[in-house]
Amino acid sequence: EPEVTQTPSHQVTQMGQEVILRCVPISNHLYFYWYRQILGQKVEFLVSFYNNEISEKSEIFDDQFSVERPDGSNFTLKIRSTKLEDSAMYFCASSAQKQVNSPLHFGNGTRLTVT
Amino acid sequence: AQKITQTQPGMFVQEKEAVTLDCTYDTSDPSYGLFWYKQPSSGEMIFLIYQGSYDQQNATEGRYSLNFQKARKSANLVISASQLGDSAMYFCAMREGDSGYALNFGKGTSLLVTP
Repeated sequence: EPEVTQTPSHQVTQMGQEVILRCVPISNHLYFYWYRQILGQKVEFLVSFYNNEISEKSEIFDDQFSVERPDGSNFTLKIRSTKLEDSAMYFCASSAQKQVNSPLHFGNGTRLTVT
Repeated sequence: AQKITQTQPGMFVQEKEAVTLDCTYDTSDPSYGLFWYKQPSSGEMIFLIYQGSYDQQNATEGRYSLNFQKARKSANLVISASQLGDSAMYFCAMREGDSGYALNFGKGTSLLVTP
């Protein structure tokens, strides 16, 4: 069964450094998402992406975040200058459709630790 | 305001028994979709089951079924014949037709299946 893959599974970085989290969505999916989950808390929406542009973003997704689809398969989340509070599990997801009945399929996540 | 409410932070069930995980939601949109995801201790998010607001019948998927009560705005997950491998966090989530792309999650319920 096709799946969303994320790399790396765990990233440790120093405060102030830039990180890039990588994702390969399911190949025939058109809609891509990033979510984050701070340890022990709920899963929070960051951004959605369609047709090479951001469709929707949350308040969390401020100027230090950016997303890109640099080629036909990868989807990346960049955090320009990491803060301690950016430590979380970051999930990439994709869906075939925008419609409400189209489930999001999630990758296994990247655990980001900012020290 | 909370869109998705999961009132049970933790639940226990004995192996082979059935268990119901509660979820209530809040929306004024007539078109919405409700999803349940499982998150084992390894961290990945696994899609389990979907219920659409216009669906006449409760969704079922193997041992998972959804007790959808539209008037009460509840979409409880029923797991029948629990197995030890069902021990995990379970998240209820909703997509609304007018809100765009985001999937809004509840805070989750931790389920422990005991022998």
